[in-house]
Amino acid sequence: ELKVEQNPLFLSMQEGKNYTIYCNYSTTSDRLYWYRQDPGKSLESLFVLLSNGAVKQEGRLMASLDTKARLSTLHITAAVHDLSATYFCAVDPTGTASKLTFGTGTRLQVTL
Amino acid sequence: DARVTQTPRHKVTEMGQEVTMRCQPILGHNTVFWYRQTMMQGLELLAYFRNRAPLDDSGMPKDRFSAEMPDATLATLKIQPSEPRDSAVYFCASGPGTGAPEETQYFGPGTRLLVL
Repeated sequence: ELKVEQNPLFLSMQEGKNYTIYCNYSTTSDRLYWYRQDPGKSLESLFVLLSNGAVKQEGRLMASLDTKARLSTLHITAAVHDLSATYFCAVDPTGTASKLTFGTGTRLQVTL
Repeated sequence: DARVTQTPRHKVTEMGQEVTMRCQPILGHNTVFWYRQTMMQGLELLAYFRNRAPLDDSGMPKDRFSAEMPDATLATLKIQPSEPRDSAVYFCASGPGTGAPEETQYFGPGTRLLVL
């Protein structure tokens, strides 16, 4: 059974600080997704990482993938309050954007 | 503005009642997914369709849940009879199903279900 684990589960950080969210998964996969969910809202796609060594950046968020270590990271640079949300990684071992298995989520709270 | 739509957005019902949730995928998307989100279990894939055909419903309790796509613009998820443990947010998502490398899933706003 595929397991996807994120840590930390909850992260409170001050504005302007940097931090990294980790996503570990238990089976081979060349495709990994990051989503954002605001409280009471839907999920919004942030990144699709397709291969070992892939790195993508959007604003203050940068995601990377190490398929050999079965690890993805989401790095937050100089956090701002608007980044407060829950972040999910998801793995798709089929490579067809179909059977996604989601991680537990990391709830990020950025304080002033 | 292409979005997945879901109705109803909120539903409160009593145990034993039938619940029907509806989803309209993004026009042109041929893959539709149903997820359930709870605090305890997180996000779980219940079922998904491609070109209206069910491909996998292994995540769905078979005795009370059913999912269908009567046509390309409508997907339904039914619970009969509903139980308090079915209380959750049910998300529908759709995808283009082209197999493009960067293909992702687009989520609807969800149906928040409370079974009393």
